[in-house]
Amino acid sequence: AQSVTQLGSHVSVSEGALVLLRCNYSSSVPPYLFWYVQYPNQGLQLLLKYTTGATLVKGINGFEAEFKKSETSFHLTKPSAHMSDAAEYFCAVSKANFGNEKLTFGTGTRLTIIP
Amino acid sequence: GAGVSQSPRYKVAKRGQDVALRCDPISGHVSLFWYQQALGQGPEFLTYFQNEAQLDKSGLPSDRFFAERPEGSVSTLKIQRTQQEDSAVYLCASSLATSGGAGTQYFGPGTRLLVL
Repeated sequence: AQSVTQLGSHVSVSEGALVLLRCNYSSSVPPYLFWYVQYPNQGLQLLLKYTTGATLVKGINGFEAEFKKSETSFHLTKPSAHMSDAAEYFCAVSKANFGNEKLTFGTGTRLTIIP
Repeated sequence: GAGVSQSPRYKVAKRGQDVALRCDPISGHVSLFWYQQALGQGPEFLTYFQNEAQLDKSGLPSDRFFAERPEGSVSTLKIQRTQQEDSAVYLCASSLATSGGAGTQYFGPGTRLLVL
């Protein structure tokens, strides 16, 4: 079975500061890893994903994440926080299963940006 | 182009009522997923369709939950005899992928169900 742990249900950073949201996963097979963002009353939007290849993945809005197999981690970072980054962030894992790439999500991290 | 749409956006039901939630996926997307998101939690998988075939319903919490996609496009999630614990946001997602390849799932805005 797969699982995802997001450390810190709430993270606050100052505008312009580094954003670091932590994600650790458990998977019996090589995983596919995702970060989604959810704004209030909206669906989830994909920020970035890792499938194979380069372990440093760049996404939208200046976010990036690095897959570290030895640490079973996929932490999300952004060098400089912007007010518009305030949202809920979900890390998710799936495995290749002939189309049924159902996602297993973490419990989410709410990011607050301090002006 | 149009994204995934869901209707209604909000639904209030009295305990014991039946409800039907609709999902219109992105045109041409073969895979369709339903997730349930309880307050303060991450989404949890309910069921998966490939075209009209329901290939995985392992996440449906009880036999009161039923989903269909008869023509391989629009899908309906039906909940019979709703209970208070069914209160949640129900998310639909669609994907172009048909084989293991981590296709991106595109999510709709969700239907917020409140059972009184």
